[in-house]
Formats: sequence, structure tokens, C-alpha cells
Amino acid sequence: GAVVSQHPSWVICKSGTSVKIECRSLDFQATTMFWYRQFPKQSLMLMATSNEGSKATYEQGVEKDKFLINHASLTLSTLTVTSAHPEDSSFYICSAQTGTSPNEQFFGPGTRLTVL
Amino acid sequence: GENVEQHPSTLSVQEGDSAVIKCTYSDSASNYFPWYKQELGKGPQLIIDIRSNVGEKKDQRIAVTLNKTAKHFSLHITETQPEDSAVYFCAASLGGSYIPTFGRGTSLIVHP
Repeated sequence: GAVVSQHPSWVICKSGTSVKIECRSLDFQATTMFWYRQFPKQSLMLMATSNEGSKATYEQGVEKDKFLINHASLTLSTLTVTSAHPEDSSFYICSAQTGTSPNEQFFGPGTRLTVL
Repeated sequence: GENVEQHPSTLSVQEGDSAVIKCTYSDSASNYFPWYKQELGKGPQLIIDIRSNVGEKKDQRIAVTLNKTAKHFSLHITETQPEDSAVYFCAASLGGSYIPTFGRGTSLIVHP
């Protein structure tokens, strides 16, 4: 099956620093990748959709200057949380769609971000 | 936009019992309904899905039913095992490249 990886799996940083999270599709080319945020015991909240080579589309209420998304290739998308603050602490999950099974989303294992 | 309601929020069963999780959706144009299992500290994993041209789909102990008229779909897990304990999310989408709308999740606890 299609495999999506994320790195790092967890990160702790000081307030004011920036953190980059990588999302990779390991055995397929992802035409579209998605970034979600999940608070404890809550559902997935879509942050943005990114297509390779184009600007990401952000959901309403998500600050694009705060959460920078780059989809440089068909196998890699990155999310950078700039000037992180404690309220940015959350579980960030990426997912990817293939061109052959457009409905299916394959999720990464998630990244736990803690901002001190 | 699409709205997906999921019930119950928590479900506790004894090992060997069956578990049923129900979802309703609002957009009659939705035609793809996946179910995801999320274990603690991990990303969601697709466990089964159904498309609107099918009323029921089964995969070993897991089955999903869809009632398009009533706009609801359900996940059925038979002979539950402790390793089935997780959070389950339903979702609905318009298919193609449309992004699924997720339910709020059901925490399933299977007691040995």
C-alpha cells in the first residue's frame, strides 16, 4: 500500500523559533498533499492543501504567513511553523493523494509539536 | 458545505461483542465514504471505504453500510478484540480530488 512518512515524529522548541516538518510519499507520487492539525481528543482540522509546484490553498482562519507550506516535488511537502508559540503546540498530520486513487488519502504518522 | 455527524463519541464493549458506529451527512452529492482508525499518537489509517453505488461492503470482521436515501452510513465491527481499541473517524466527500469532511470521531474501548 501507499506509505507516507513524516519527520520529525516529535519536536520540542522554544517560543519564537521556527520548526519545519517534512512529509514524504515513499512509494508513490502525490499529486496533492494535505496538512491537518489535531487537538487532543478532537477531529482532524484541515489547514491547507498543496499541489506540487504551486502555492498552497489555506483554509479559512489559517494564517499562511504563520504556517508556510512548500510542495517542492511530487514526493515532498514541508510545513514550517514560524515564530512558534505555545498555542501552536499540537499534533500535525499530513496526507497525500495519488493520481490513480484520487479519493483515497494516505496519512502520515503525525508530528507532535510542543512549544515551551 | 458538507457536514458529517458521528455517534457515539465513546463506545465501550466487551471483547467478542459487536460495535456499531453511525454517521450522517448533509450533502446528497457526496459519493465516497471512508472510515479511518487512529491509534494513540499515530496518524489515521484507512480501514474500509464505500462508494455511493454500493449499499454494503465487508472485509473480514469489518463492514460498512450506506443508506443514500437517509444519508447515513455505519461501521460494524464483529467479534471485537482489544486491539480494535482506537478512535474511529468517518468521512464523506464528493469524490475525485475533493477533500473528505471528517466526523468528530468515536473512541472505541474493547475490554478484555
